[in-house]
Amino acid sequence: LAKTTQPISMDSYEGQEVNITCSHNNIATNDYITWYQQFPSQGPRFIIQGYKTKVTNEVASLFIPADRKSSTLSLPRVSLSDTAVYYCLVVLMDTGRRALTFGSGTRLQVQP
Amino acid sequence: NAGVTQTPKFRILKIGQSMTLQCTQDMNHNYMYWYRQDPGMGLKLIYYSVGAGITDKGEVPNGYNVSRSTTEDFPLRLELAAPSQTSVYFCASSPLGQGSTGELFFGEGSRLTVL
Repeated sequence: LAKTTQPISMDSYEGQEVNITCSHNNIATNDYITWYQQFPSQGPRFIIQGYKTKVTNEVASLFIPADRKSSTLSLPRVSLSDTAVYYCLVVLMDTGRRALTFGSGTRLQVQP
Repeated sequence: NAGVTQTPKFRILKIGQSMTLQCTQDMNHNYMYWYRQDPGMGLKLIYYSVGAGITDKGEVPNGYNVSRSTTEDFPLRLELAAPSQTSVYFCASSPLGQGSTGELFFGEGSRLTVL
């Protein structure tokens, strides 16, 4: 499984765009990149998933360069409620046994 | 759909006691996972299962056991509880390998304290 590296923490202000980058240098051909959000005392929640280029949903955008060795989660115009820990995972989508392991995550603090 | 249901939500154990954390899902997912999360830390995979009758160790399996007799249920057993097992335990399921994006669905967590 591809190991992931993220910044430990980030600070932002309300209304700003936040970009969190995840490094996954040994990603394999069939791996997908998935991002989760976790609030205190709750389980992580799926945000977005992608394979290459750009994916956008109502919550975030995910940018993946051609070499796929990194990915960037972009949160537009953050609010106080976006304060959370964000995790990126690399997931092999083929069948077979898969142990999904989380990295340390990025703790995002949004200030008023 | 109830999703992933964990019981109990809170439990205090004495050192050396045993207990089972229950996890059930009603989404017919093949994959199920148990994670633990210590305060201020990330999630560590304890055990996982790719289907009924099949389980595998994760990153931190020592002191725990699991079984998967049905698709719906994936209980986690703690034998001889130790203070180091004080943590929040999360169960998750995923439709990996079932033509989906492989999203993980988490339960609300079980907070365990060993004194």
